[in-house]
Amino acid sequence: GAVVSQHPSWVICKSGTSVKIECRSLDFQATTMFWYRQFPKQSLMLMATSNEGSKATYEQGVEKDKFLINHASLTLSTLTVTSAHPEDSSFYICSAKDTYEQYFGPGTRLTVT
Amino acid sequence: QKEVEQNSGPLSVPEGAIASLNCTYSDRGSQSFFWYRQYSGKSPELIMFIYSNGDKEDGRFTAQLNKASQYVSLLIRDSQPSDSATYLCAVNLPPGSQGNLIFGKGTKLSVKP
Repeated sequence: GAVVSQHPSWVICKSGTSVKIECRSLDFQATTMFWYRQFPKQSLMLMATSNEGSKATYEQGVEKDKFLINHASLTLSTLTVTSAHPEDSSFYICSAKDTYEQYFGPGTRLTVT
Repeated sequence: QKEVEQNSGPLSVPEGAIASLNCTYSDRGSQSFFWYRQYSGKSPELIMFIYSNGDKEDGRFTAQLNKASQYVSLLIRDSQPSDSATYLCAVNLPPGSQGNLIFGKGTKLSVKP
């Protein structure tokens, strides 16, 4: 199957700082990438859908000014958590769509202290 | 509201038995159906997808789809302790949509040695 990478795999930051997470499709071009968040023992929650070269579409309740998404190329999307707070601590997972199937990156565990 | 419903479990089966995981979906226009496996602390991994009514087999896994009943299932034969994980059912939105997946909340499977 197709490979999606994420970097970093885990990050600890102080409250009020910003964190950038990268998502790359390694062996295919992804016109659409998705960003999910998963809190412990809860299901995946879609945050936003990112299309190459256009603005991301955010799900209801997700602050677009706090979670900045950039999909600059067909293989790279970034999520920046701005002014992070402890309640933003979560497992962030990106996913890239390859024609019919959707492949997930390994996830980034963010801890805000 | 498009929904995908799964029994949260936990579903407990003895090693070597057949595990049966079920999923129902609300949108009759859905055309693609996916099963993902998620180990604790890891991102989802695609196991199988199915598009047509009937059964699709891949090794110890069989996906079953009944569009009339809006029902999709996953059978795991000869269950192993390593199969213990949360299984996510996902349904693709109909053509014309962005192609995003709608996820169920997942069924936690526990295979006892």
